[in-house]
Amino acid sequence: AQTVTQSQPEMSVQEAETVTLSCTYDTSENNYYLFWYKQPPSRQMILVIRQEAYKQQNATENRFSVNFQKAAKSFSLKISDSQLGDTAMYFCAFEPSDKIIFGKGTRLHILP
Amino acid sequence: GAGVSQSPSNKVTEKGKDVELRCDPISGHTALYWYRQSLGQGLEFLIYFQGNSAPDKSGLPSDRFSAERTGGSVSTLTIQRTQQEDSAVYLCASSGTDVAGYTFGSGTRLTVV
Repeated sequence: AQTVTQSQPEMSVQEAETVTLSCTYDTSENNYYLFWYKQPPSRQMILVIRQEAYKQQNATENRFSVNFQKAAKSFSLKISDSQLGDTAMYFCAFEPSDKIIFGKGTRLHILP
Repeated sequence: GAGVSQSPSNKVTEKGKDVELRCDPISGHTALYWYRQSLGQGLEFLIYFQGNSAPDKSGLPSDRFSAERTGGSVSTLTIQRTQQEDSAVYLCASSGTDVAGYTFGSGTRLTVV
């Protein structure tokens, strides 16, 4: 079965600190996309960052970066200089074929 | 349209009634997806359309759930004889061929009382 595991149900960090959200996945596919989505209280799902599995270079989007370890099937998200607006649910996901499979999410609180 | 539009935003219905949830994807997006998000949970895949065809209906939880898509555009998710366990947020997303990843709507929060 193709699954995504997020081992941290909830995290809290102080504003301006760096936080890392963990994610592992299981698949027998060799090529796929990986994603981190953010869901604020408005419940709108927002794509934060994407990574193609065949690319070794880790993706970066401003304060957001990933640590992609293909052999370990690990895809963690690092948020630098965290801001109050980063408070949200974060979902790790991957697309091995025709649909995206999501983890159960990590609820992140940024504290003032 | 500019984004994925879902209606209604919220729906309260009595147990046993039928409901229809609507999704209007981004213009030109050929793929359309329905997911269900129960309280505090992740996203559960329901069904996926490529054009008007549904190659993957594997996530529909029971035969009370059905979906259709017409004209390669608007999709309707129908839940018949609603049960309290159907209460959830139903999210729709669409994608095109240009870039990986989905664009989501804001969802319909369904409450069955």
